[in-house]
Amino acid sequence: GESVGLHLPTLSVQEGDNSIINCAYSNSASDYFIWYKQESGKGPQFIIDIRSNMDKRQGQRVTVLLNKTVKHLSLQIAATQPGDSAVYFCAETRLYDYKLSFGAGTTVTVRA
Amino acid sequence: DVKVTQSSRYLVKRTGEKVFLECVQDMDHENMFWYRQDPGLGLRLIYFSYDVKMKEKGDIPEGYSVSREKKERFSLILESASTNQTSMYLCASSSSGGPEAFFGQGTRLTVV
Repeated sequence: GESVGLHLPTLSVQEGDNSIINCAYSNSASDYFIWYKQESGKGPQFIIDIRSNMDKRQGQRVTVLLNKTVKHLSLQIAATQPGDSAVYFCAETRLYDYKLSFGAGTTVTVRA
Repeated sequence: DVKVTQSSRYLVKRTGEKVFLECVQDMDHENMFWYRQDPGLGLRLIYFSYDVKMKEKGDIPEGYSVSREKKERFSLILESASTNQTSMYLCASSSSGGPEAFFGQGTRLTVV
């Protein structure tokens, strides 16, 4: 099947700085794009999603941007905290299907 | 609190054994999924189910089967375990109303 991939496998960020995690996708028919966070020893946890008819969506300290022209998705984390250290996955899915296709993940490390 | 529970955190099995991984969700979700997670490959879909007694193959079904006799329970079966099935296995569930999937904590299976 078509896949969703992340640009960088690792990201190191200073505590308090903003983080930007990028993702390229290939399936232009996807209806939803989703970001998951996976902490060590745990299953992935939903962060935020965005529908394909939107360009931007904000949550608590997070913003997701969708650029359909270049098939690019990003997750911005404001004022990064040590608790944000985790692996971040982007995923895509279709309406009424909801099978998730995941990228390889980006490991974010927050430096004190 | 929503919950997806996998029966084991860690399992060690011998090559050729039949292995059962159990997953239970308490959210009355219609959809359930089994993924495996390997370093650098992200999460890959093995099987999924949209209803009791229904199952569909995902991207990597070879060597696996599933069973869904009750809505809340979805079992993954390794008919004859092989060393290349050593991996982290993640169960997830979602409702038909939206894309958010809830994951269990994972089962780390080692086949020796």
